[in-house]
Amino acid sequence: DTAVSQTPKYLVTQMGNDKSIKCEQNLGHDTMYWYKQDSKKFLKIMFSYNNKELIINETVPNRFSPKSPDKAHLNLHINSLELGDSAVYFCASSQDLTVHEQYFGPGTRLTVT
Amino acid sequence: AQSVAQPEDQVNVAEGNPLTVKCTYSVSGNPYLFWYVQYPNRGLQFLLKYITGDNLVKGSYGFEAEFNKSQTSFHLKKPSALVSDSALYFCAVRDRDTDKLIFGTGTRLQVFP
Repeated sequence: DTAVSQTPKYLVTQMGNDKSIKCEQNLGHDTMYWYKQDSKKFLKIMFSYNNKELIINETVPNRFSPKSPDKAHLNLHINSLELGDSAVYFCASSQDLTVHEQYFGPGTRLTVT
Repeated sequence: AQSVAQPEDQVNVAEGNPLTVKCTYSVSGNPYLFWYVQYPNRGLQFLLKYITGDNLVKGSYGFEAEFNKSQTSFHLKKPSALVSDSALYFCAVRDRDTDKLIFGTGTRLQVFP
């Protein structure tokens, strides 16, 4: 069974469109994260949720909106996509805020044309 | 601000030889340090962590890391490299004020047969 899964794996879309990426974890973890990895492989946190509550909200455009319907799911919605949004987006989870190991999903490669 | 630096973009090593991937840190207080590995087209996988205690930390797949406070380093090591170790390696530090993981820029390890 996949611990942290993301859909879709690949997403190709045009500028100006709105898209969503879904993430689910079956580990029973309380905390989930979204990271962005750019073309140079630089990895940076975007958001974290703990028990459906927003904890970390980095300086990202407000076109990015996370939503956590329950603690096993953390979705990322992106409005008005721009070329610079092209990247690989990783979802991750950890047992809770105090546990240090994070478990990453396989990533979603977003290409904006 | 907490940060880690990985001075080498790429490390090349012959199979069977020892390998070292370097990481230095800059933190206030005692650091929480991590190593993650990313195989091609995959998410990051946790390798090992240093929180406190023994300066030599053992992790997955035969990897270990040595915490050196005087040199502010946390180098990743393996006594005998395998071709299958070829991947992208990230050092990270946990910001204890914000609970964010701050990643280094990554080091690509290439093990040649």
